[in-house]
Amino acid sequence: DSGVTQTPKHLITATGQRVTLRCSPRSGDLSVYWYQQSLDQGLQFLIQYYNGEERAKGNILERFSAQQFPDLHSELNLSSLELGDSALYFCASSVPPSGAAPDTQYFGPGTRLTVL
Amino acid sequence: LAKTTQPISMDSYEGQEVNITCSHNNIATNDYITWYQQFPSQGPRFIIQGYKTKVTNEVASLFIPADRKSSTLSLPRVSLSDTAVYYCLVGVTIYSGGGADGLTFGKGTHLIIQP
Repeated sequence: DSGVTQTPKHLITATGQRVTLRCSPRSGDLSVYWYQQSLDQGLQFLIQYYNGEERAKGNILERFSAQQFPDLHSELNLSSLELGDSALYFCASSVPPSGAAPDTQYFGPGTRLTVL
Repeated sequence: LAKTTQPISMDSYEGQEVNITCSHNNIATNDYITWYQQFPSQGPRFIIQGYKTKVTNEVASLFIPADRKSSTLSLPRVSLSDTAVYYCLVGVTIYSGGGADGLTFGKGTHLIIQP
């Protein structure tokens, strides 16, 4: 158990719909990351938040958005869903590293999204 | 972030030592090398990280030659539960002036352990 929680575990919805995925980071972690993993694209970084502010964007579509709340939990909003959005969505959290080494990211169990 | 090249898949037997090599010819001076492990339908899990020479923890060892253009993850006495995908990542944290902290995962190495 990484200490990162994600809900729901599974989500099945139809094309054109909108869904919200939720992530609670480990206690004390300020950074939250979202990743998408599909069979053909592998594990792709979407977006990072640090202490409530957007820090970096990866391959995130304009139909997707995220935010991090004052209690540090984060939500990923996916709208106008398409069949190709079906994937595993992972959240990860970390603390800022003390030196130059990259921080260790702790991944949650993921949310499996199926768009029909 | 430096591009990495790993074997697509490997297999071995229980009790054997497994070495997975990763090539990163364009590694930058400040880059660290990090390995993650992922089981099916689970999130990746940090295994080990190093900058140069050798790093060892309770799970694995990481060997990095002097030129740092490659690295080898060594798993001692593997078991069936070590069957997973192993990712090699190279990069530096944003906090020291690098790029985004989001990790760039390649395809990884599918390690299959047989009884």
